[in-house]
Amino acid sequence: GAVVSQHPSRVICKSGTSVKIECRSLDFQATTMFWYRQFPKQSLMLMATSNEGSKATYEQGVEKDKFLINHASLTLSTLTVTSAHPEDSSFYICSASVGMNTEAFFGQGTRLTVV
Amino acid sequence: AQSVSQHNHHVILSEAASLELGCNYSYGGTVNLFWYVQYPGQHLQLLLKYFSGDPLVKGIKGFEAEFIKSKFSFNLRKPSVQWSDTAEYFCAVTPGGYNKLIFGAGTRLAVHP
Repeated sequence: GAVVSQHPSRVICKSGTSVKIECRSLDFQATTMFWYRQFPKQSLMLMATSNEGSKATYEQGVEKDKFLINHASLTLSTLTVTSAHPEDSSFYICSASVGMNTEAFFGQGTRLTVV
Repeated sequence: AQSVSQHNHHVILSEAASLELGCNYSYGGTVNLFWYVQYPGQHLQLLLKYFSGDPLVKGIKGFEAEFIKSKFSFNLRKPSVQWSDTAEYFCAVTPGGYNKLIFGAGTRLAVHP
């Protein structure tokens, strides 16, 4: 199957700083990328959908000014957690797909710890 | 609100036992249905998917699932589990046929030798 790579896999940052997470589709062009958040022992919650070249669509309750998403090319989307706080500590996962009604491929996830 | 319910949060089985994990969704329109598996420390992987056609879907590693539209269900089954099936299993739905996945809470399966 297609490969989606996330970087970094783990990051620790100080409260108040910003951290950027990258999501790359390595062997296909992803028109759509999704960002999810997974709390411990809970399911994945969709945060936002990003389409290449346009603004991301955020789910209800997700602060778009806090979680900045950029989908600048068909192979790269970035999620920047701005002014991170300890409550932002979580597991962030991206997925990428080509068009509608197609399989979404998942990255390995990024564990963010804010201290 | 659209939701996906997985009935069992934790399942413990012995090897060779049969497995059935329940999944129900609340969405009246067209849906695509998925089961994903997450082995310890690994990515989410697609087990199987249903878009249309035969409601009995066969996936990888001997898994299958049956879409019963009247019951809004998509239960996952395997006739004989192995220790290597120990993982977390997520049911997911894309309402309206788009690929925005809504996940269930997950079922943690432990298979004992």
